[in-house]
Amino acid sequence: SSELTQDPAVSVALGQTVRITCQGDSLRIYYASWYQQKPGQAPLLVIYGRNNRPSGIPDRFSGSSSGNTASLTITGTQAEDEADYYCHSRDSSGNQRGVFGGGTKLTVL
Amino acid sequence: QVQLQESGPGLMKPSETLSLTCTVSGGSINTYYWSWIRQPPGKGLEWIGYIYSGTTNYNPSLKSRVTISLDTANNQFSLKVTSVTAADTAVYYCARESHYSDSGGHPHFYMDVWGKGTTVTVSS
Repeated sequence: SSELTQDPAVSVALGQTVRITCQGDSLRIYYASWYQQKPGQAPLLVIYGRNNRPSGIPDRFSGSSSGNTASLTITGTQAEDEADYYCHSRDSSGNQRGVFGGGTKLTVL
Repeated sequence: QVQLQESGPGLMKPSETLSLTCTVSGGSINTYYWSWIRQPPGKGLEWIGYIYSGTTNYNPSLKSRVTISLDTANNQFSLKVTSVTAADTAVYYCARESHYSDSGGHPHFYMDVWGKGTTVTVSS
């Protein structure tokens, strides 16, 4: 079982705001990083650290964290944001192992 | 601009040893974590392990079968998985994991460069 828990599926109306969450004990220590994956493509980093976007990622993507929960928020969701989203962090064992959440499929209506 | 490219066999038979190589171009292989991740058909991402300055760390569920190594002379790192079964069928990705320390000195990690992935099918 994954140490990071995500809702399997979330839907949002075009142009609206959606929040995708990731829960796990390790998130009390480490920030999550977030990845967008479209069918047939490699994952793409969209948010890392407290709330950092790599170059080229639109500013409608933002991140936040509180307690054991990390969130990825998309403000003004576009059709091209429909994808699977994964969170990643170190695990809570103290052994510095990596772990991914199970992924959230975002559908844009 | 750093790029990663996986290479390896596409089709394997059960009990064989899988060997994959990730070639790093456009940058040095030093000072980063170098990771392997896989994704079985229709499923989520699974962290396999990483190597950092010669130190390795593996997913406990795979640890007994997995070895990651670094070849600094050729700017490559590699993954070996022994005794493969159909359950090892997946797209395998290599990735660079960067890190930084916050104001409290605590490290945080993120995979900022990924290869395109290579499909490995295990079938008799």
